[in-house]
Amino acid sequence: DTAVSQTPKYLVTQMGNDKSIKCEQNLGHDTMYWYKQDSKKFLKIMFSYNNKELIINETVPNRFSPKSPDKAHLNLHINSLELGDSAVYFCASKSSGGVSYEQYFGPGTRLTVT
Amino acid sequence: QQQVKQSPQSLIVQKGGISIINCAYENTAFDYFPWYQQFPGKGPALLIAIRPDVSEKKEGRFTISFNKSAKQFSLHIMDSQPGDSATYFCAAGLRSNTGKLIFGQGTTLQVKP
Repeated sequence: DTAVSQTPKYLVTQMGNDKSIKCEQNLGHDTMYWYKQDSKKFLKIMFSYNNKELIINETVPNRFSPKSPDKAHLNLHINSLELGDSAVYFCASKSSGGVSYEQYFGPGTRLTVT
Repeated sequence: QQQVKQSPQSLIVQKGGISIINCAYENTAFDYFPWYQQFPGKGPALLIAIRPDVSEKKEGRFTISFNKSAKQFSLHIMDSQPGDSATYFCAAGLRSNTGKLIFGQGTTLQVKP
């Protein structure tokens, strides 16, 4: 059973296109995140939702728009894709209960913009 | 002030040796310090974590040493194995229920057989 899943795993598209990445978790967590990992493997948080409410919104171009239809799903839509958007995007989730800060990461979506 | 600085960028260790990765932070509000392990093509996975009220935590061959006054913490991998070859990230968490983590730059570890 996959805890955090992402689709697609690979995404190749041309500049200017619009694309979406989907994330689902079956851990019963109520907080979900999007991270971007660049070519140097640096991991940077982009967004976070808690029970469908946006709680973290880092300095990210407004071409990126997250959406959380329910607490088990968090999608990322990217408009007008640029070459610099090429990266691996990770979804993660955690429980906001207790004192655990452990985040569970998905397998990643490798986005290549040509 | 929210940066976490990690070194070295890469590390090569012989099998059976000790791997040491260091991290430093600036924001004293951080109250959670995890280490994540990432294999190629996979997402990061929690390896071990520590809270600032303890100076050391050990889980098997992995140990975190924490120096609150110096605002530094490190990961020690004892008896390093080729299967430990991966990228390691330290991180620091903020005291809020957002669970926001600031990651270090990562260290690519290669353990030679």
